[in-house]
Amino acid sequence: AQSVAQPEDQVNVAEGNPLTVKCTYSVSGNPYLFWYVQYPNRGLQFLLKYITGDNLVKGSYGFEAEFNKSQTSFHLKKPSALVSDSALYFCAVRDGATGTASKLTFGTGTRLQVTL
Amino acid sequence: DSGVTQTPKHLITATGQRVTLRCSPRSGDLSVYWYQQSLDQGLQFLIQYYNGEERAKGNILERFSAQQFPDLHSELNLSSLELGDSALYFCASSGSGNTEAFFGQGTRLTVV
Repeated sequence: AQSVAQPEDQVNVAEGNPLTVKCTYSVSGNPYLFWYVQYPNRGLQFLLKYITGDNLVKGSYGFEAEFNKSQTSFHLKKPSALVSDSALYFCAVRDGATGTASKLTFGTGTRLQVTL
Repeated sequence: DSGVTQTPKHLITATGQRVTLRCSPRSGDLSVYWYQQSLDQGLQFLIQYYNGEERAKGNILERFSAQQFPDLHSELNLSSLELGDSALYFCASSGSGNTEAFFGQGTRLTVV
């Protein structure tokens, strides 16, 4: 069975500081990893994905994520946080062995709070 | 706009009733997923359909059922509703290849 863990319910960071939102995963095949953001009363918006290739992937709004196979992690990062980044962030994994036909499993979410 | 359309946006109904939530996936997407998000909770995977067939099942109650039609739209049926079923229900779709899923805006169900 595949699973995703987001160990922090909330991350607090000051505007202008770097931010990291942690994610670890478990999957039997090759992992396909995703980050989504959810603003209040909205659906989830796709931020970025790792399928294969470079371990550092860049996404929307200046976010990036680093894939680490040995640590089974896919942490979301941003060099300089903005107040407007405050939202709920979800990490997700799919088993690459079965591709798009397989289930997409989400973590429990991490609330990011950026303050002035 | 993700291209995934969910109707209705809001639904208020009484306990014991039955409702149907509808999802139109992005054009050409074969996979449709349903998720439930309760207040301050993460996303609970309910069920996935791929090209009309059930592909994966999560924590979906027996009172809930879903189907995907030949035109690829999907419906989630919730019956014998209880107060605890109040939640946001999201539909997502994804296409061929190892692509991301795109989410609709959700249906907020309130059971009173």
